[in-house]
Amino acid sequence: QKEVEQNSGPLSVPEGAIASLNCTYSDRGSQSFFWYRQYSGKSPELIMSIYSNGDKEDGRFTAQLNKASQYVSLLIRDSQPSDSATYLCAVNPNQAGTALIFGKGTTLSVSS
Amino acid sequence: EAGVAQSPRYKIIEKRQSVAFWCNPISGHATLYWYQQILGQGPKLLIQFQNNGVVDDSQLPKDRFSAERLKGVDSTLKIQPAKLEDSAVYLCASSLSTIQYFGAGTRLSVL
Repeated sequence: QKEVEQNSGPLSVPEGAIASLNCTYSDRGSQSFFWYRQYSGKSPELIMSIYSNGDKEDGRFTAQLNKASQYVSLLIRDSQPSDSATYLCAVNPNQAGTALIFGKGTTLSVSS
Repeated sequence: EAGVAQSPRYKIIEKRQSVAFWCNPISGHATLYWYQQILGQGPKLLIQFQNNGVVDDSQLPKDRFSAERLKGVDSTLKIQPAKLEDSAVYLCASSLSTIQYFGAGTRLSVL
């Protein structure tokens, strides 16, 4: 059973702080990793993708991947109240076109 | 570029009734997915199509759920008969390669 694990939270941070979201996965052969943001009552929206070990930065977001530890994280710098949402970690276990396996999501709350 | 279109947005039915959902993927996307998202959970794959062929339907409850993708474009997902535990958001996604784009979803309530 391929699994993706996330702390459900809620994770609460003050405005301007760094939010750190973590995810582990069970399938060592996984190739692609994604972070989706989901506002309440809305559909998931892709915010980051990462395919190789190391860091990938996009604006205030940094994704980190460590395949040896089967660990992927998302850092949000200068957190804003508009970042308050559920963050879903998703893993593509094999290749392009294969469905994603999602974690349960971590709820982030940014207070002003 | 238009996104993934889904309808209806909301549906309320009684148990044992039938219901159908429709999805129109992003133009040119060969792969289409149906996911079920129960409240408080991440989306779970029900079925994956590549053009009009089924790639993965291992988690589809085939005794009550069916799906088709005629002509490799639009897709419909049907539940018959519905159970209380089918209350969820049904998300359609499409992809050209590794990135999947989601529609707004259909929120189903089974009473």
